[in-house]
Amino acid sequence: GDSVTQTEGQVTVSESKSLIINCTYSTTSIAYPNLFWYVRYPGEGLQLLLKVITAGQKGSSRGFEATYNKETTSFHLQKASVQESDSAVYYCALGDPGTGGYKVVFGSGTRLLVSP
Amino acid sequence: EAAVTQSPRNKVAVTGGKVTLSCNQTNNHNNMYWYRQDTGHGLRLIHYSYGAGSTEKGDIPDGYKASRPSQENFSLILELATPSQTSVYFCASGPLGVSAETLYFGSGTRLTVL
Repeated sequence: GDSVTQTEGQVTVSESKSLIINCTYSTTSIAYPNLFWYVRYPGEGLQLLLKVITAGQKGSSRGFEATYNKETTSFHLQKASVQESDSAVYYCALGDPGTGGYKVVFGSGTRLLVSP
Repeated sequence: EAAVTQSPRNKVAVTGGKVTLSCNQTNNHNNMYWYRQDTGHGLRLIHYSYGAGSTEKGDIPDGYKASRPSQENFSLILELATPSQTSVYFCASGPLGVSAETLYFGSGTRLTVL
C-alpha cells in the first residue's frame, strides 16, 4: 500500500530560527505520486500549504519550501526563519492520480510550536 | 472562496446510537471525502464520492456508511456508534482531475461516543 511517515510528533523552535520537518513516503503502486504539505491552524480545517507534482522540483509558499526527492522518497518541509504565527500542525501527504479516482494519503502530522 | 461546512462542530453520542455527520460544499466539486483524525495517526480515509449518488469505501470503512444525495452534500452515518469511533472527523472536497489535486477541508467535527 501507500504510506507517509512523519517521524516527529512535535517540534519546538525559537522564533527566527530555521525549521525542518521530515517526511518520507512509500508507495507500491504509484510511479510518480503527487506530494503535498497541508497545515492546520487552531480551530480551522486543513489547508494546502504547497504541492509538487514533478520529481526533482521544489514547491514554495509563505516562506516554506519542500523538494520532491524520488531517490530518497522524501519531501521535507523547510523554512529559514520561523514566526510565532507558523505554530500549527503540518501534514505531509501523497496523492494517487491512478485508476479509480483520486485518493490522498496523509502522514500523522507534526505539531510546530514556535517560542518567542 | 472555496467553502466546506461541517455540522455539528461537536457531538456527544451514546453507544449503540445512530449518528449522522453532515458536510456541505459550495465549490461545485465532484469529489468529496470523509477522514478521521486520531492522535498518532494521519488522517485516515473512511469513504469518498465522485459525485451525486456515488459512494466508495476508503481505507477504514467498517462501521460507517456514506450518502451523497447531491453535488453539495455528503453525509457520514454511524448506525451503531461505538466508543472506538470517538475521533475528529474531517470532510473535504476536491475538483475532478487526475493531477495536482487540492483538497478543501471543513473545520472538523469532534465526536465523543460514551
